[in-house]
Amino acid sequence: QVQLQESGPGLVKPSQTLSLTCTVSGGSISTTGYHWTWIRQHPGKGLEWIGNIYYTGSTYYKPSLKSRIIISVDTSKNQFSLKLRSVTAADTAVYYCARRRQLFAFDIWGQGATVTVSS
Amino acid sequence: DIQMTQSPSSLSASVGDRVTITCQASQDINNYLNWYQQKPGKAPKLLIYDASNLEPGVPSRFSGSGSGTDFTFTINSLQPEDIATYHCQQYDNFPLFGPGTTVHVK
Repeated sequence: QVQLQESGPGLVKPSQTLSLTCTVSGGSISTTGYHWTWIRQHPGKGLEWIGNIYYTGSTYYKPSLKSRIIISVDTSKNQFSLKLRSVTAADTAVYYCARRRQLFAFDIWGQGATVTVSS
Repeated sequence: DIQMTQSPSSLSASVGDRVTITCQASQDINNYLNWYQQKPGKAPKLLIYDASNLEPGVPSRFSGSGSGTDFTFTINSLQPEDIATYHCQQYDNFPLFGPGTTVHVK
């Protein structure tokens, strides 16, 4: 079955760029109908949708984060990635990648990657 | 922007109890609401989609109802493995999660 796995640095300095990659296994990232998503969870808080990408490269971002994020896809590697620039301590969170099917149901999730923003 | 409220923020119940969680949207979202279960240190798991549809493989003691602005999530006969935080999520303009309800064993 389809599985997702996040990877990337666990520590990022303030003002730098957070970069994470999600590797999709057990299925193709190019399967029609699925969008590939980043969601984060601040410590002890609820979940926050960041944005998603379709295999064609079409993206949809949370408006309040749009100016700082880029989500990209590499179909040859079956991966998609998140870049969040100009990070602050407020970006410290567990970052999840997830598969979004129609009507925004997130049905498969990665295990999560903890990212701390600190000097 | 749509606001989501969820209540209660936490609850304690005994094994076998019926547990009910409510989620309210600040405006009509039709039935565009999903429910997730998140156990400590784990990723969320989709339980209910489109307000009332049970995700395949999810036990039938979980159910959802509602439409418009008011939604309910129910666990019939709480089991020890149901101890978790439950999140509602709407998808009107963009996905937005509720603050979560943590279910404890009494």
